[in-house]
Amino acid sequence: DARVTQTPRHKVTEMGQEVTMRCQPILGHNTVFWYRQTMMQGLELLAYFRNRAPLDDSGMPKDRFSAEMPDATLATLKIQPSEPRDSAVYFCASGLDRAGGYTFGSGTRLTVV
Amino acid sequence: DAKTTQPNSMESNEEEPVHLPCNHSTISGTDYIHWYRQLPSQGPEYVIHGLTSNVNNRMASLAIAEDRKSSTLILHRATLRDAAVYYCILITGYALNFGKGTSLLVTP
Repeated sequence: DARVTQTPRHKVTEMGQEVTMRCQPILGHNTVFWYRQTMMQGLELLAYFRNRAPLDDSGMPKDRFSAEMPDATLATLKIQPSEPRDSAVYFCASGLDRAGGYTFGSGTRLTVV
Repeated sequence: DAKTTQPNSMESNEEEPVHLPCNHSTISGTDYIHWYRQLPSQGPEYVIHGLTSNVNNRMASLAIAEDRKSSTLILHRATLRDAAVYYCILITGYALNFGKGTSLLVTP
């Protein structure tokens, strides 16, 4: 089965450091999402792209978070500077559109100390 | 996106069928009904989706009410591996907006 690949799987960093998370969507999928999951807030949509163009990033704290798709095989989510409240599991997902299912990656577990 | 209402939790015996309900009384004509599940320590997993007609796949069945204001995810024979949080989501645009879902407990 085709997979969405996320790296790294785990990241521990100190407050103030830059963090970059990467996602390789399934080949041919043109819609890519970033989600964040915490115990308190559940699964939150941060941003998503369609055909590499950002469609919605209203869920993202703009002052410190940025999401990009430099090419069709790579999506990145960057946090600079990181804060302890950013500790969460970050999921990437890809698909074609709502007439089909979306596939999620295994996530990046981020801990900011 | 329109809102869905699901029970917080449900319990089932192993090898019994499970019917997971979802109410979506404000659904619009073009909203797709999607179901995902999340097993412990894993990412969400697509289960099934539909628009108007009932749907079957290898994982489950989706029964959609005639007025589309509710739907039911049917697991025909629950196993211990089906213990997860099940999310019913309506999609108007492209994105999934997750609620709290139903936590399904399967007991031997």
